[in-house]
Amino acid sequence: DIQMTQSPSSLSASVGDRVTITCRASQSISTYLNWYQQKPGKAPTLLIFGASSLQSGVPSRFSGSGSGPDFALTISSLQPEDFATYYCQQSYSTPITFGQGTRLEMK
Amino acid sequence: QVTLRESGPALVKPTQTLTLTCTFSGFSLTTTGMCVTWIRQPPGKALEWLARVDWEDDKYYSTSLKTRLTISRDTSKNQVVLTMTSMDPVDTATYFCARIRAGRSQYIDQWGQGTLVTVSS
Repeated sequence: DIQMTQSPSSLSASVGDRVTITCRASQSISTYLNWYQQKPGKAPTLLIFGASSLQSGVPSRFSGSGSGPDFALTISSLQPEDFATYYCQQSYSTPITFGQGTRLEMK
Repeated sequence: QVTLRESGPALVKPTQTLTLTCTFSGFSLTTTGMCVTWIRQPPGKALEWLARVDWEDDKYYSTSLKTRLTISRDTSKNQVVLTMTSMDPVDTATYFCARIRAGRSQYIDQWGQGTLVTVSS
């Protein structure tokens, strides 16, 4: 199974900050990498697919980059509704695997 | 509009078999590229993928749980059923069903709200 490692596990930031979350795969996965946002008590929602494609309806302050084993999710200017947990997920091979999550908290 | 809804028992006893049903609408599981998957999340923990069935009725399972899982579909009812045998308290989690769009990229674009299953005697 491909292991996905996110960093940091938690992050404190303020509204307006630029934040970056990274995700590393245990092997090359090309650009088969997706990012999800999850708020407490809710199902995750898709933000980015194919490493850098923005899902319809997702604000443009979210962006994704990377290929191979290393990826990043960047939020250009944090908004109050962005405080949540973020997960990366590889779709290069089955079984699908997720990162352990990054909890983004308000400073 | 695509929707998915999980149903099943909220409480199961250790050693019992869990049966969960995902009822979906807004797409057909016989359309090329459509898949339904199950994912779980223990309280306060990360997402864990369980199983998937696709448009050709191919089935895939978690490496660590494959001996306990069975996924099946009923295309006439727009339902996908997951069974998990030998339930244990560590299987306490919210179980989500979701749609995978499989194409050049594969991603989960629609999720059910999830159903909390507690394993306790």
